[in-house]
Formats: sequence, C-alpha cells, structure tokens
Amino acid sequence: GAGVSQSPRYKVTKRGQDVTLRCDPISSHATLYWYQQALGQGPEFLTYFNYEAQPDKSGLPSDRFSAERPEGSISTLTIQRTEQRDSAMYRCASSLTANTGELFFGEGSRLTVL
Amino acid sequence: GENVEQHPSTLSVQEGDSAVIKCTYSDSASNYFPWYKQELGKGPQLIIDIRSNVGEKKDQRIAVTLNKTAKHFSLHITETQPEDSAVYFCAASRAVTSYDKVIFGPGTSLSVIP
Repeated sequence: GAGVSQSPRYKVTKRGQDVTLRCDPISSHATLYWYQQALGQGPEFLTYFNYEAQPDKSGLPSDRFSAERPEGSISTLTIQRTEQRDSAMYRCASSLTANTGELFFGEGSRLTVL
Repeated sequence: GENVEQHPSTLSVQEGDSAVIKCTYSDSASNYFPWYKQELGKGPQLIIDIRSNVGEKKDQRIAVTLNKTAKHFSLHITETQPEDSAVYFCAASRAVTSYDKVIFGPGTSLSVIP
C-alpha cells in the first residue's frame, strides 16, 4: 500500500480480555517493527520482523505479548489477559530493509484497558 | 541495555530564533542516528539522519552534529517557524552494519511562538 496502515485506530477493552492489533506495512518493505508509545514518551521497542523471521523480541514486556508475521507482510500484535498498564499507543513501522535507516510509521492503534 | 537520553524535554523559542536539542547514547557500537518529528495525532516522521562516519550534516534549516567520542549528538534548527512546533525524537541504532532495532529518546516538545 501507499503507507503503513494500522487497525483498529482505537480499541477499548476490559481488563482480562485479549486484543489483537493489525499492521499492514508498505508493500515493498522487508522489515516491520512494533513500538509501544505512552503519552508524552518516546516509542519503546517491542519487536521486529525481517520478512517472516523475528530476530529480536527482547522488548516484549511479558509473555502475554506476542507478534506474528506469517507470510512476511501483514503483522499482528496480540496481548492476552490485558491489564490497565497495557494502555498505550501501539505503533507499527516498516523499512525497506533493516539497515536502510528510515522507518515509516503508521498512525497507531490507541489501546485503552478499563 | 541500550539507552538514549534527550534534553531538554520542553523548549520554547521565539519565531526566527534557533533551537538546539541534545542527545546522548550508551551503546558505543551505535552507528546510525536519525531524528524524527511527530506532529499532534500523527506518527513520527524522519527529518534528518547521520551516520557515524560523518561529523555533521545539514539540510536547509536543519543540521545534526555527532561526537562519537563523547557519545552525543545534537539537532539544530535555525530560523524557526511556527510549523516547526512538534515533538522531536532522537534515536540510535547499529543499523549501518547489522540488522538492529532503533532505540528512541523520550522526546523534546518544541513550541515556536509567533
């Protein structure tokens, strides 16, 4: 696509529910990143994919968080048994390759856990 | 782990004046230093970047300097305009030589007063 697309833009859920966020990167981009951005803070790295491989998931805060990119294009981020502290903006970004520099960010998915 | 610090957290300047934002990084292997601008309600967007084999880079009113020995880098905006008002993030990675995550600083909120 023309840009990085994320859905849903807004998600409100109750504590304990599972949520899945979706990212559709720029079609020619090999690398896809997930970041968590709290209000007034910088993006915090969660994980990234190079095509379907997931070389680094060191930023995932707990085993309740998981991400997939099974066909090397669309990716999902799943949070199981959500907690209030999971409330944040979740941003997806893609780049042509992992060492070409520029990240292109989507508009984000705002998650609110009640 | 890798860490990027950024100062100041907020900056207010008169239109036409210069603005300077400073960052330090902890990972001596970092070799790529991008700067992103985030406008309200949007995702971060790359405005300029610098690689470790260069000490300074300029693009119109924006310049970046890098001191690898001291592990710090700076963004300079001259002749500021109201449309420069945004949150600015510095970042660091090893992306030039290997696949690697991009670590962001906490951000500087710049306000340009007309």
